[in-house]
Amino acid sequence: AQKVTQAQTEISVVEKEDVTLDCVYETRDTTYYLFWYKQPPSGELVFLIRRNSFDEQNEISGRYSWNFQKSTSSFNFTITASQVVDSAVYFCALIITSGTYKYIFGTGTRLKVLA
Amino acid sequence: DSGVTQTPKHLITATGQRVTLRCSPRSGDLSVYWYQQSLDQGLQFLIQYYNGEERAKGNILERFSAQQFPDLHSELNLSSLELGDSALYFCASSPPVSGEAFFGQGTRLTVV
Repeated sequence: AQKVTQAQTEISVVEKEDVTLDCVYETRDTTYYLFWYKQPPSGELVFLIRRNSFDEQNEISGRYSWNFQKSTSSFNFTITASQVVDSAVYFCALIITSGTYKYIFGTGTRLKVLA
Repeated sequence: DSGVTQTPKHLITATGQRVTLRCSPRSGDLSVYWYQQSLDQGLQFLIQYYNGEERAKGNILERFSAQQFPDLHSELNLSSLELGDSALYFCASSPPVSGEAFFGQGTRLTVV
């Protein structure tokens, strides 16, 4: 079965703290993509990153970084020096691309960054 | 602005009615996806079209249907609406090769 687990329902941090959002996925497929999306209070979904199953390189984009580890089926997202504008719900998603495409989203982690 | 346009932004309708949600993908994107986001179900994938053909089907109810037209815009039809269909409906599009999807701002449907 395919599944995405975001065990942290809600996290609160104080501005400038670092925070890591966990994402654990399950699939037997060897070809897949992992995504992170941000949903700010305004409601839209904003694409943050895509990773394919053959690329385990970690990525850094400004204050954002992602750690992809196939050995533990995890794709964690770290925000360094968090800011109030980072307050949002963050979704991790798994897209299976072998045969019929399947899209599985985690339940999201609500991040509150307090000033 | 993601480049994906969804109309209307808000829709209020009564139980038993039928509504149509519209999505215009980004220029050049052949794939269109529909998602439902409700409070109790989270974000659920409904259906995907690629260049007019249905490519993938998720948790879409039989009361719901979708299509993608030759100009690549898509419509999601919801019929015999129930209170539980109240949700935010997102459309997304992606280019031919990349798996990356860009989302519209969503249509908030309220069934009363």
